[in-house]
Amino acid sequence: EAGVVQSPRYKIIEKKQPVAFWCNPISGHNTLYWYRQNLGQGPELLIRYENEEAVDDSQLPKDRFSAERLKGVDSTLKIQPAELGDSAVYLCASSRVGPKQFFGPGTRLTVL
Amino acid sequence: SQKIEQNSEALNIQEGKTATLTCNYTNYSPAYLQWYRQDPGRGPVFLLLIRENEKEKRKERLKVTFDTTLKQSLFHITASQPADSATYLCALDSGYALNFGKGTSLLVTP
Repeated sequence: EAGVVQSPRYKIIEKKQPVAFWCNPISGHNTLYWYRQNLGQGPELLIRYENEEAVDDSQLPKDRFSAERLKGVDSTLKIQPAELGDSAVYLCASSRVGPKQFFGPGTRLTVL
Repeated sequence: SQKIEQNSEALNIQEGKTATLTCNYTNYSPAYLQWYRQDPGRGPVFLLLIRENEKEKRKERLKVTFDTTLKQSLFHITASQPADSATYLCALDSGYALNFGKGTSLLVTP
């Protein structure tokens, strides 16, 4: 089966600019996660979707971050405006039933 | 506060030896504990899951133990190979979300 697809793989922007990341989960996976991974750290959950509903967004900095999952399939994570501290790898993961998660390759964001 | 600790130092071992990685946690009551492998520039890949009522799980050359009294999991790779070189992440699953440790970098030299 095809894995989790993310785009773009790399993004370089200047601070205060907006940026968006896209994720296509594995077909049939109802649960979708966005994580942020800083260098030398483990992934940290930003938001979790069950179908199109955001069921856990407690770690999402809502002043500048937003996410959506229209039709319960693809998802977009947006940052506006980006800050220097947002430089990280943004990972998307999906799961169907059970706790095992499948991760995409991530988008490496560099904010200058 | 909740904390997950993995070997902070990179682990260097010789090919053929057994690698043992440690994951300690505090202030968690995980339903599951998972181990993932992450290669540079890639997302984590699931390896093994062990439930709170299980002591040990095996998969090919991999073995995981889970001691909820000590609040510790050990991850073993037997007969290690250079291809096993990667970062290994421990993740605690409360049933709602995964909380990851920082990972341990493993280098297997020929």
